[in-house]
Amino acid sequence: DAGVTQSPTHLIKTRGQQVTLRCSPKSGHDTVSWYQQALGQGPQFIFQYYEEEERQRGNFPDRFSGHQFPNYSSELNVNALLLGDSALYLCASSFPLVDTQYFGPGTRLTVL
Amino acid sequence: AQSVTQLGSHVSVSEGALVLLRCNYSSSVPPYLFWYVQYPNQGLQLLLKYTSAATLVKGINGFEAEFKKSETSFHLTKPSAHMSDAAEYFCAVTEGGTASKLTFGTGTRLQVTL
Repeated sequence: DAGVTQSPTHLIKTRGQQVTLRCSPKSGHDTVSWYQQALGQGPQFIFQYYEEEERQRGNFPDRFSGHQFPNYSSELNVNALLLGDSALYLCASSFPLVDTQYFGPGTRLTVL
Repeated sequence: AQSVTQLGSHVSVSEGALVLLRCNYSSSVPPYLFWYVQYPNQGLQLLLKYTSAATLVKGINGFEAEFKKSETSFHLTKPSAHMSDAAEYFCAVTEGGTASKLTFGTGTRLQVTL
């Protein structure tokens, strides 16, 4: 059984560009959450998707948006990239109505 | 609002020594608490979780943690450190139960020396 998968592994962009990150949840999981982990910090919650709707959102600007597809996979989009958006972006998935979230390996985004 | 404080950004122990990583939480409702481990250039792996059942929780790789409501603590311990335990450890809290957002501490880097 494959765990949470994310693509791409690494990404380099320049300021002002837009980026899309992808996540496939573990089999049977229908809830997907996204976190941003800056260097030397703990992960920060961006938002969570359930039944293709954004259910919760953290303290991130509207430049950060997402989508969940009918097969429960998800995308994270970031517009107008800033240098401060450089981070490891983690996706986590969970079973319906269960508290434990399982994390993918992350996508390392570097903004130059 | 929920929050987590991890005391000690770096902890160094000798191989075979006791590991103690500290975590204190703040929550307005009974919390769910988690410990995750992160190896270099990898994602987070769940070590253990507390969800209002037994206050002493056993996890993988010989780790355990005890929930102490009176101290608002959830410290992580392992009786005997191994070189492979060297990693970053994160304590996290959630209030909602049903896969609500996790709030993480800033992490503790564990170094294990010979």
